Amino acid sequence: ETGVTQTPRHLVMGMTNKKSLKCEQHLGHNAMYWYKQSAKKPLELMFVYSLEERVENNSVPSRFSPECPNSSHLFLHLHTLQPEDSALYLCASSQVFFSGSDTGELFFGEGSRLTVL
Amino acid sequence: GIQVEQSPPDLILQEGANSTLRCNFSDSVNNLQWFHQNPWGQLINLFYIPSGTKQNGRLSATTVATERYSLLYISSSQTTDSGVYFCAVDPWNTDKLIFGTGTRLQVFP
Repeated sequence: ETGVTQTPRHLVMGMTNKKSLKCEQHLGHNAMYWYKQSAKKPLELMFVYSLEERVENNSVPSRFSPECPNSSHLFLHLHTLQPEDSALYLCASSQVFFSGSDTGELFFGEGSRLTVL
Repeated sequence: GIQVEQSPPDLILQEGANSTLRCNFSDSVNNLQWFHQNPWGQLINLFYIPSGTKQNGRLSATTVATERYSLLYISSSQTTDSGVYFCAVDPWNTDKLIFGTGTRLQVFP
C-alpha cells in the first residue's frame, strides 16, 4: 500500500456538479497539503492542514472547500467549478517539526486529474 | 517572495549520458527537496537536502545553502529517468514548500 493514496485518479465534471477528492496518508504524519498543477505553471500550494487545523489558505476561490476530519484524511470538495480549474490536484503529507518551523519531507499521492467541462 | 529558478528548462539525453540539473533560490531556506514527476503525474521524493551532499544509486544531490543553490546529478541515465524534475524550498519563517518550474528530461535509447 502506498504512503499517500488519492481517489479518484481521474474525474470529469460539469460546471454545476458537486464532487469531492479524497486523500489518505498511512505514514503517521501530522500535516497534509493540497497542491494544484496546471499546464506550464509551477505547483501551487492551495491548503495546508497541520494537526487537523487549517494553517494556510493560499487565496483559493471558495468553490474549493477543504476538509480534514483527522490526521490521516483530507478532502477537497468541489462545486460550481470553471473550465480553468481543470488541472492535476496533488495531495501530500509530512511530519512538521514545530521547533524549527520546517515542513519536513513531503510525500505525494499519485494525483487526481480533474477536467471541468 | 522567494524565487526558485531551475535550469535547464528542457534536457534531451541519450541513454548512458550524465547530466546536472541546477536549482537557484533567492533567499535563505529551512530545507530543500528534489522530486521526480513521472509521465503519469506522480511526484516521487528523491532527496531531502537542506545542505551537504547525498547519494542514492545513480542520483546524487548537493546543496550549498550559503550560496543558495542545489545541484542534482544523474549518471548513466536510463529511459525511466524521463519526466520532470522539481526542486522545492521551504523559506525561513514559513510552513510551505515553494516549487521551481522544473526541468523536463527526456532520455532516448
